[in-house]
Amino acid sequence: QVHLVQSGAEVKKPGASVTISCQASGYTFTSYAIHWVRQAPGQSLEWMGWIFAGNGDTEYSKKIQGRVSITRDTSARTAYLELTSLKSEDTAVYYCARNVPRTGWLGPWGQGTLVTVSS
Amino acid sequence: EIVLTQSPGTLSLSPGERATLSCRASQSVTNKLLAWYQQKPGQAPRLLIYDASSRATDIPDRFSGSGSGTDFTLTINRLDPEDFAVYYCQQYDNSFSFGPGTRVDI
Repeated sequence: QVHLVQSGAEVKKPGASVTISCQASGYTFTSYAIHWVRQAPGQSLEWMGWIFAGNGDTEYSKKIQGRVSITRDTSARTAYLELTSLKSEDTAVYYCARNVPRTGWLGPWGQGTLVTVSS
Repeated sequence: EIVLTQSPGTLSLSPGERATLSCRASQSVTNKLLAWYQQKPGQAPRLLIYDASSRATDIPDRFSGSGSGTDFTLTINRLDPEDFAVYYCQQYDNSFSFGPGTRVDI
């Protein structure tokens, strides 16, 4: 069974950075992509970027490009999202989700990681 | 960027009724590259429909998707109590974007 398990909640101060992990199991990690999507409190979903676990190719949302980096460790079957220069507006639940390459639909999803940015 | 608009914002229905949810795109979504997700409080989204009309694995057949171009519809026949949730559409024709969601309430 496919599972994505994310790291725990984080509290950060404005200007800091955060790294969230997403560990995959139940499938061939390097055959799929991992996308990151965030959801601010009471809001809709915002796509952030993706990485193809096979070769490490990435694509990022233009809105946050420059502050976001997605990497992976194939031996650990884990993808990482790093977000820098945090602002209060980055307070959200961050989700990872698996994606079949050359398609765009996402599933399954990780359980989510709450990141709170507060002074 | 393709902007998605969903209507209505909230749909108040009873179990057993049919729900019809709309998703409109600011420009044509080619090849029907649109998905629908269900999200319950405190949970991650779950994929329901991809490529506008294909049901994802283990999704009941009371869920169906249709549409093309700029207008897409998610229909839920015979609402089950577990179907009361928020539903999002997502396009993956031109990068990726989500709609604002439709809440289906009892």
